[in-house]
Amino acid sequence: DTGVSQNPRHKITKRGQNVTFRCDPISEHNRLYWYRQTLGQGPEFLTYFQNEAQLEKSRLLSDRFSAERPKGSFSTLEIQRTEQGDSAMYLCASSSEGGRTEAFFGQGTRLTVV
Amino acid sequence: GESVGLHLPTLSVQEGDNSIINCAYSNSASDYFIWYKQESGKGPQFIIDIRSNMDKRQGQRVTVLLNKTVKHLSLQIAATQPGDSAVYFCAESGTYKYIFGTGTRLKVLA
Repeated sequence: DTGVSQNPRHKITKRGQNVTFRCDPISEHNRLYWYRQTLGQGPEFLTYFQNEAQLEKSRLLSDRFSAERPKGSFSTLEIQRTEQGDSAMYLCASSSEGGRTEAFFGQGTRLTVV
Repeated sequence: GESVGLHLPTLSVQEGDNSIINCAYSNSASDYFIWYKQESGKGPQFIIDIRSNMDKRQGQRVTVLLNKTVKHLSLQIAATQPGDSAVYFCAESGTYKYIFGTGTRLKVLA
């Protein structure tokens, strides 16, 4: 395991379609995060999992967004009825438990809604 | 590759000079801080971290300084190289999530 893996790297979709992204964290990490990043901005927190439990959701995560981590390993982020404002880089990160440790990021999924 | 941070504050330094990137954080309860480097089209890459019980930490060619009194963090890069060109973000953590600052674009001039 060489790091956090995200698929796909790029996704172009038409407005109104549903999209799903996958994140495979570093295998021994039980914390998993989703962030969104738009041009000129730092990553914005969306949601956080500890094992399979989703412990916090940002108010940025509207009802059209849902994230899961069913077995405490990989995670999926689904966006329903995509809007042009959803166009962004979606980043996944993972970290280990046990105090303050760095989060390792994947390469991100670039979503373009046309 | 796609550019990140087209309208970010920019710091231009001559190759071989030292760079200092500054960051102000917001939450006085934050007790862990990280600097990340992000190259175009890639995810943020960990550089160095510091806990709130320290005011300085050194890595290879990088030093982070923490001033809790004024909630200020800085990243110093010694002998800046072309490969250091990127956007740099500071992030703070008080519980479990990491809150990122706006970022600074570092340009290294040959």
